[in-house]
Amino acid sequence: RKEVEQDPGPFNVPEGATVAFNCTYSNSASQSFFWYRQDCRKEPKLLMSVYSSGNEDGRFTAQLNRASQYISLLIRDSKLSDSATYLCVVIPPLVDYKLSFGAGTTVTVRA
Amino acid sequence: DARVTQTPRDKVTEMGQEVTMRCQPILGHNTVFWYRQTMMQGLELLAYFRNRAPLDDSGMPKDRFSAEMPDATLATLKIQPSEPRDSAVYFCASGLGRSETQYFGPGTRLLVL
Repeated sequence: RKEVEQDPGPFNVPEGATVAFNCTYSNSASQSFFWYRQDCRKEPKLLMSVYSSGNEDGRFTAQLNRASQYISLLIRDSKLSDSATYLCVVIPPLVDYKLSFGAGTTVTVRA
Repeated sequence: DARVTQTPRDKVTEMGQEVTMRCQPILGHNTVFWYRQTMMQGLELLAYFRNRAPLDDSGMPKDRFSAEMPDATLATLKIQPSEPRDSAVYFCASGLGRSETQYFGPGTRLLVL
Protein backbone atom coordinates (compact mmCIF):
# COMPACT_ATOMS: atom_id res chain seq x y z
CA ARG A 1 0.00 0.00 0.00
CA LYS A 2 1.33 3.43 -0.91
CA GLU A 3 2.05 5.88 1.90
CA VAL A 4 -0.17 8.52 0.34
CA GLU A 5 -2.99 7.91 -2.11
CA GLN A 6 -5.08 10.36 -4.04
CA ASP A 7 -7.86 10.21 -6.57
CA PRO A 8 -6.10 11.42 -9.73
CA GLY A 9 -9.27 13.01 -11.11
CA PRO A 10 -9.57 15.00 -13.23
CA PHE A 11 -12.21 17.07 -11.52
CA ASN A 12 -13.74 19.29 -14.16
CA VAL A 13 -15.81 22.08 -12.64
CA PRO A 14 -17.33 25.35 -13.86
CA GLU A 15 -16.15 28.68 -12.51
CA GLY A 16 -17.77 29.49 -9.22
CA ALA A 17 -18.35 25.89 -8.25
CA THR A 18 -17.09 24.15 -5.15
CA VAL A 19 -14.76 21.20 -5.54
CA ALA A 20 -13.46 18.91 -2.84
CA PHE A 21 -11.21 15.89 -2.79
CA ASN A 22 -9.44 13.68 -0.30
CA CYS A 23 -6.16 12.01 0.25
CA THR A 24 -5.55 8.95 2.42
CA TYR A 25 -2.35 8.09 4.25
CA SER A 26 -1.22 4.73 5.53
CA ASN A 27 0.90 5.54 8.59
CA SER A 28 -1.36 6.38 11.48
CA ALA A 29 1.56 7.92 13.37
CA SER A 30 2.13 10.62 10.74
CA GLN A 31 2.15 14.04 12.32
CA SER A 32 2.34 16.65 9.61
CA PHE A 33 0.19 17.15 6.55
CA PHE A 34 0.21 19.63 3.71
CA TRP A 35 -1.22 20.48 0.35
CA TYR A 36 1.11 21.53 -2.44
CA ARG A 37 0.00 22.89 -5.77
CA GLN A 38 1.68 22.13 -9.08
CA ASP A 39 0.78 23.95 -12.26
CA CYS A 40 1.34 22.28 -15.62
CA ARG A 41 5.05 21.96 -16.35
CA LYS A 42 5.95 23.92 -13.23
CA GLU A 43 7.40 23.13 -9.84
CA PRO A 44 5.34 22.22 -6.77
CA LYS A 45 4.59 25.04 -4.33
CA LEU A 46 3.31 24.86 -0.79
CA LEU A 47 -0.38 25.75 -0.74
CA MET A 48 -1.22 25.25 2.90
CA SER A 49 -0.63 23.20 6.00
CA VAL A 50 -3.32 20.98 7.45
CA TYR A 51 -3.89 21.22 11.16
CA SER A 52 -5.88 18.94 13.41
CA SER A 53 -8.45 21.67 13.91
CA GLY A 54 -8.68 22.31 10.19
CA ASN A 55 -7.67 25.54 8.58
CA GLU A 56 -8.89 27.98 6.02
CA ASP A 57 -7.04 30.28 3.67
CA GLY A 58 -9.38 32.40 1.63
CA ARG A 59 -11.35 30.08 -0.62
CA PHE A 60 -9.35 27.02 0.43
CA THR A 61 -10.23 24.85 3.40
CA ALA A 62 -8.17 21.88 4.57
CA GLN A 63 -9.33 19.27 7.04
CA LEU A 64 -7.68 16.34 8.79
CA ASN A 65 -9.50 13.21 9.88
CA ARG A 66 -7.11 11.16 11.96
CA ALA A 67 -9.60 8.42 12.74
CA SER A 68 -10.06 7.61 9.07
CA GLN A 69 -6.56 8.70 8.08
CA TYR A 70 -7.42 11.18 5.40
CA ILE A 71 -7.04 14.84 4.66
CA SER A 72 -9.24 16.90 2.42
CA LEU A 73 -9.08 20.08 0.42
CA LEU A 74 -12.10 22.13 -0.52
CA ILE A 75 -12.02 24.99 -2.97
CA ARG A 76 -14.95 27.39 -2.95
CA ASP A 77 -15.93 29.79 -5.73
CA SER A 78 -13.46 28.16 -8.15
CA LYS A 79 -11.44 30.40 -10.43
CA LEU A 80 -9.83 29.52 -13.73
CA SER A 81 -6.49 30.07 -12.03
CA ASP A 82 -7.24 27.23 -9.61
CA SER A 83 -6.67 24.75 -12.44
CA ALA A 84 -3.69 22.72 -11.30
CA THR A 85 -2.63 19.43 -9.76
CA TYR A 86 -2.95 19.34 -6.00
CA LEU A 87 -0.41 17.17 -4.21
CA CYS A 88 -1.11 15.73 -0.81
CA VAL A 89 1.99 15.61 1.37
CA VAL A 90 2.56 13.68 4.56
CA ILE A 91 5.59 13.64 6.81
CA PRO A 92 6.00 10.21 8.36
CA PRO A 93 6.99 9.91 12.00
CA LEU A 94 10.67 10.06 12.99
CA VAL A 95 11.79 11.31 9.56
CA ASP A 96 11.06 14.99 9.69
CA TYR A 97 12.71 15.93 6.43
CA LYS A 98 11.11 13.37 4.18
CA LEU A 99 7.98 14.54 2.44
CA SER A 100 5.83 11.72 1.05
CA PHE A 101 3.96 13.05 -1.94
CA GLY A 102 0.74 11.73 -3.34
CA ALA A 103 0.47 11.39 -7.09
CA GLY A 104 -1.81 14.41 -7.23
CA THR A 105 -5.40 15.31 -8.01
CA THR A 106 -5.95 17.30 -11.17
CA VAL A 107 -8.53 20.07 -11.09
CA THR A 108 -9.68 21.85 -14.23
CA VAL A 109 -11.91 24.89 -13.86
CA ARG A 110 -13.74 25.83 -17.04
CA ALA A 111 -15.29 29.14 -18.00
CA ASP B 1 12.30 37.43 -4.75
CA ALA B 2 14.75 34.64 -3.91
CA ARG B 3 14.40 31.47 -5.97
CA VAL B 4 16.06 28.13 -6.44
CA THR B 5 17.72 27.97 -9.83
CA GLN B 6 18.47 24.87 -11.85
CA THR B 7 20.45 24.25 -14.99
CA PRO B 8 19.97 23.04 -17.59
CA ARG B 9 16.21 23.43 -17.92
CA ASP B 10 16.07 20.80 -20.63
CA LYS B 11 18.50 18.08 -21.58
CA VAL B 12 18.32 15.50 -24.34
CA THR B 13 21.09 12.95 -24.40
CA GLU B 14 21.86 9.49 -25.63
CA MET B 15 21.99 6.39 -23.52
CA GLY B 16 25.38 5.93 -21.92
CA GLN B 17 26.25 9.62 -21.72
CA GLU B 18 26.98 11.45 -18.50
CA VAL B 19 24.42 13.97 -17.33
CA THR B 20 25.13 16.68 -14.77
CA MET B 21 22.38 18.79 -13.29
CA ARG B 22 23.09 21.84 -11.15
CA CYS B 23 21.13 23.62 -8.50
CA GLN B 24 21.67 26.88 -6.67
CA PRO B 25 19.67 26.87 -3.44
CA ILE B 26 18.22 30.01 -1.95
CA LEU B 27 20.95 31.91 -0.13
CA GLY B 28 20.93 31.05 3.53
CA HIS B 29 18.96 27.83 3.22
CA ASN B 30 20.64 24.90 4.92
CA THR B 31 18.72 21.97 3.44
CA VAL B 32 18.80 20.79 -0.16
CA PHE B 33 16.71 18.05 -1.73
CA TRP B 34 16.81 16.30 -5.10
CA TYR B 35 13.57 14.82 -6.40
CA ARG B 36 12.61 12.95 -9.53
CA GLN B 37 9.11 13.18 -10.98
CA THR B 38 7.61 10.78 -13.50
CA MET B 39 4.05 10.06 -14.50
CA MET B 40 4.31 6.53 -13.15
CA GLN B 41 6.04 7.16 -9.82
CA GLY B 42 5.17 10.75 -9.01
CA LEU B 43 7.66 12.70 -6.90
CA GLU B 44 10.42 10.63 -5.35
CA LEU B 45 13.12 11.87 -3.02
CA LEU B 46 16.56 11.00 -4.34
CA ALA B 47 18.89 12.79 -1.93
CA TYR B 48 18.88 15.12 1.05
CA PHE B 49 21.60 17.41 2.34
CA ARG B 50 21.71 19.41 5.53
CA ASN B 51 24.49 21.95 6.00
CA ARG B 52 26.09 20.44 2.87
CA ALA B 53 26.33 16.97 4.42
CA PRO B 54 24.53 14.14 2.63
CA LEU B 55 22.11 12.64 5.13
CA ASP B 56 19.93 10.48 2.96
CA ASP B 57 20.50 9.15 -0.53
CA SER B 58 18.53 5.97 -0.09
CA GLY B 59 16.22 6.88 -2.97
CA MET B 60 19.06 7.10 -5.44
CA PRO B 61 20.34 4.24 -7.65
CA LYS B 62 23.84 4.08 -6.24
CA ASP B 63 25.52 2.49 -9.20
CA ARG B 64 24.86 5.37 -11.57
CA PHE B 65 23.70 8.39 -9.59
CA SER B 66 25.73 10.66 -7.38
CA ALA B 67 24.87 13.86 -5.56
CA GLU B 68 27.23 16.40 -4.06
CA MET B 69 27.36 19.88 -2.58
CA PRO B 70 30.80 21.29 -3.33
CA ASP B 71 29.80 24.50 -1.57
CA ALA B 72 26.76 26.12 -0.02
CA THR B 73 25.70 27.70 -3.30
CA LEU B 74 25.88 24.65 -5.53
CA ALA B 75 24.36 21.18 -5.50
CA THR B 76 24.96 18.71 -8.31
CA LEU B 77 23.27 15.51 -9.42
CA LYS B 78 25.14 13.30 -11.85
CA ILE B 79 24.02 10.27 -13.79
CA GLN B 80 26.68 8.12 -15.39
CA PRO B 81 25.91 6.26 -17.54
CA SER B 82 22.41 7.50 -18.30
CA GLU B 83 19.64 5.14 -19.36
CA PRO B 84 16.26 5.74 -21.02
CA ARG B 85 14.47 4.92 -17.74
CA ASP B 86 16.16 7.98 -16.20
CA SER B 87 13.98 10.22 -18.36
CA ALA B 88 12.07 12.41 -15.92
CA VAL B 89 11.88 15.87 -14.45
CA TYR B 90 14.48 16.40 -11.74
CA PHE B 91 13.68 19.01 -9.13
CA CYS B 92 15.97 20.58 -6.61
CA ALA B 93 14.43 22.14 -3.52
CA SER B 94 15.89 24.05 -0.62
CA GLY B 95 14.65 24.94 2.81
CA LEU B 96 15.51 26.35 6.17
CA GLY B 97 14.53 24.61 9.33
CA ARG B 98 11.18 22.85 9.05
CA SER B 99 11.05 20.44 6.16
CA GLU B 100 7.61 21.17 4.84
CA THR B 101 8.56 24.61 3.66
CA GLN B 102 10.60 23.51 0.70
CA TYR B 103 11.11 25.82 -2.22
CA PHE B 104 11.40 24.01 -5.50
CA GLY B 105 13.42 25.02 -8.50
CA PRO B 106 11.90 24.96 -12.00
CA GLY B 107 13.28 21.50 -12.70
CA THR B 108 15.46 19.89 -15.34
CA ARG B 109 13.56 17.92 -17.97
CA LEU B 110 15.78 15.02 -18.96
CA LEU B 111 15.20 12.82 -21.97
CA VAL B 112 17.55 9.91 -22.51
CA LEU B 113 17.26 8.36 -25.94
